[in-house]
Amino acid sequence: DAKTTQPNSMESNEEEPVHLPCNHSTISGTDYIHWYRQLPSQGPEYVIHGLTSNVNNRMASLAIAEDRKSSTLILHRATLRDAAVYYCILLNTDKLIFGTGTRLQVFP
Amino acid sequence: DSGVTQTPKHLITATGQRVTLRCSPRSGDLSVYWYQQSLDQGLQFLIQYYNGEERAKGNILERFSAQQFPDLHSELNLSSLELGDSALYFCASSEGTYRPDYGYTFGSGTRLTVV
Repeated sequence: DAKTTQPNSMESNEEEPVHLPCNHSTISGTDYIHWYRQLPSQGPEYVIHGLTSNVNNRMASLAIAEDRKSSTLILHRATLRDAAVYYCILLNTDKLIFGTGTRLQVFP
Repeated sequence: DSGVTQTPKHLITATGQRVTLRCSPRSGDLSVYWYQQSLDQGLQFLIQYYNGEERAKGNILERFSAQQFPDLHSELNLSSLELGDSALYFCASSEGTYRPDYGYTFGSGTRLTVV
C-alpha cells in the first residue's frame, strides 16, 4: 500500500483556517486521496476525497498538488468540534488502510 | 447516526471467553469491513466481506472469525479472549467492492474490555 506522511499534531485557534498537509510521494495514477477524521470516542468519519482536481464540500476543501505527491486538507474556519485525528489515506484497493494521522487541537 | 449500527456498545468479559460483535451496514451497502483500534496499534484492518463472501483479510488473529449473513449484517467472533484483545472494534460499510469515488461509513464501535 502506498504510504502517506502526516505531522503528528497541529494546533489552531477557533475560527481560523487550518491547513493539514499530507505527503504521498509514491502515489500511483489510480490512487484516490481520501481524508477521514476521528473525533474522541467515535468512529472514523469521511471528510472528503479527490483524484486530481481540487475538491470542495460542506465540511472542507482538498487541494491536490499538480504532481499529486502531496495534498492539503483545508478547514476554512476551525471550531472546537473539529478537534480530532485526521487521516490521509491513498485508496487503491477496496479497503482503507489507516496511518497514524494528525491530531488537531483547536483552542478557544 | 451514520446508518451503520454496531451492537453492543460496550462489552466486558473475562479472559478465555468468547464474544460476538454485530454490525448492520448502511442500507444498500454490500461490503462490510472490520477494524480493531487499540491504544498502541491504531486502526488495524481485520477483514472484509462482500455480499456474504470473504473478500480480504488483514491482521486478523486465528482466534477471530467473521461472517456476513444473507441480510448483509455481519458478526465478528472473538474467542479465547486475552487481555490484549481489549480494544475498540469498528465496522464500516460501502456500496460494493473498490468504489474509490465514494466515502466509507463507519459505525460508532464496540468497546471490548477483557478482564
